Amino acid sequence: GQNIDQPTEMTATEGAIVQINCTYQTSGFNGLFWYQQHAGEAPTFLSYNVLDGLEEKGRFSSFLSRSKGYSYLLLKELQMKDSASYLCAVEDYKLSFGAGTTVTVRA
Amino acid sequence: DSGVTQTPKHLITATGQRVTLRCSPRSGDLSVYWYQQSLDQGLQFLIQYYNGEERAKGNILERFSAQQFPDLHSELNLSSLELGDSALYFCASSVEDRNTEAFFGQGTRLTVV
Repeated sequence: GQNIDQPTEMTATEGAIVQINCTYQTSGFNGLFWYQQHAGEAPTFLSYNVLDGLEEKGRFSSFLSRSKGYSYLLLKELQMKDSASYLCAVEDYKLSFGAGTTVTVRA
Repeated sequence: DSGVTQTPKHLITATGQRVTLRCSPRSGDLSVYWYQQSLDQGLQFLIQYYNGEERAKGNILERFSAQQFPDLHSELNLSSLELGDSALYFCASSVEDRNTEAFFGQGTRLTVV
C-alpha cells in the first residue's frame, strides 16, 4: 500500500522561505513529484526527483532521501501568488498523491 | 494552458444516471491518466491508457469504465451515479508510459444531486 504524509497547512510571510516536508512508505518507487494546485484548478508540475539530493529550479527546490523515505519542497522569496496547495506524489506504476499542504502567504 | 482538453467543464446530474467525460491529450502524448479529486479523498488515480491499451488501474469502481480511442482521446464513463461520486475529475497526459512530465487538464466538475 501507499502512505504519503505531509502537513495540512502552513502559513508564511511574503518574502520568506517555507519548507514543506513529505514522508512516504510505498510498495515501489520510481520517483517523487511535487505539484502546485490552486483551488479549483489543475495541478501544475513543479519538480521531479529520482536520485537523492537537491534539485533547484528558480525559487523552488526539492530534496529527496530515498533511504529515509523523505522529501521536501523549499519555496523561497514567497509571493502572494504562491498561496496554493502543494501535492507530494510518489510514482511506482502509478502516481499516488499525498493529501496536500495548503500554503497561505500573508503580506 | 497545458494542452490537455477536458469536456465538459461542469456537469450536474441526478443519482442513478450515467455520464461520459472526455479528454483530448496534448499533441504527441500517448498516455492518458484519469484522476478523481474529492474534498475528503484528495487526488486519487483511477486508470491509465497508453496508445489505446489499459496500462494501470487504481481504485476505480466497477461502475466506472474508460477507454482510449485510435485518435488517442479518452472517455471516462460513470454509471449508476451516487452522491459520493461528486468530485473533480482530471485527465492528464504524457508522452511516455510513465508519469514523468504529465500535464493535467482543467478538470470536469461533476455534481450528483
